[in-house]
Amino acid sequence: DGGITQSPKYLFRKEGQNVTLSCEQNLNHDAMYWYRQDPGQGLRLIYYSQIVNDFQKGDIAEGYSVSREKKESFPLTVTSAQKNPTAFYLCASSIVSGTGLGNTEAFFGQGTRLTVV
Amino acid sequence: GQQVMQIPQYQHVQEGEDFTTYCNSSTTLSNIQWYKQRPGGHPVFLIQLVKSGEVKKQKRLTFQFGEAKKNSSLHITATQTTDVGTYFCAGGIQGGTYKYIFGTGTRLKVLA
Repeated sequence: DGGITQSPKYLFRKEGQNVTLSCEQNLNHDAMYWYRQDPGQGLRLIYYSQIVNDFQKGDIAEGYSVSREKKESFPLTVTSAQKNPTAFYLCASSIVSGTGLGNTEAFFGQGTRLTVV
Repeated sequence: GQQVMQIPQYQHVQEGEDFTTYCNSSTTLSNIQWYKQRPGGHPVFLIQLVKSGEVKKQKRLTFQFGEAKKNSSLHITATQTTDVGTYFCAGGIQGGTYKYIFGTGTRLKVLA
């Protein structure tokens, strides 16, 4: 089955620790995205990548880092610099159309719920 | 910056009533997509509209894209309990390397 897999589903972090959220896709999509969702709010873009070894900051990149060493994988690290990391994190992927991003269906993973304890 | 606002933020309806959510962008969009997120789940793609004034239907769901390509609506006729969830619009920006701009979402609750 093709799809996008996030792990773990739930993650607890102590204050001051870095944690890494995994996102893997076997859809052969070039573009991958990380979104943060807070209760009652929409999706806010953290980072996105159109191609291996290249990524761009989204609207709320501070306190986060990513890598894109393989097409299939786009891990997100939540660093200790992120002041309020408790949230639901969603990874997505899409193909890249001739006119750029945002023009084709985005496929989402099941999400990771991160809680700082 | 670019924003996409959705109204209402919440809507409670009796089963069988109609429901509409509206999406407004501060900038012209190249397309608009709609997603549904069930409680505890992840967003799932419903549809994409591209043309000015476009209207598409999926069973009880009707999607419209405004003439100016700055607004859109999703209308559900005769809601059912399976319609419960949060509905998001997502606007695409033409050209460049931009990405989906998600709306703030409308949470629908259907009372049986």
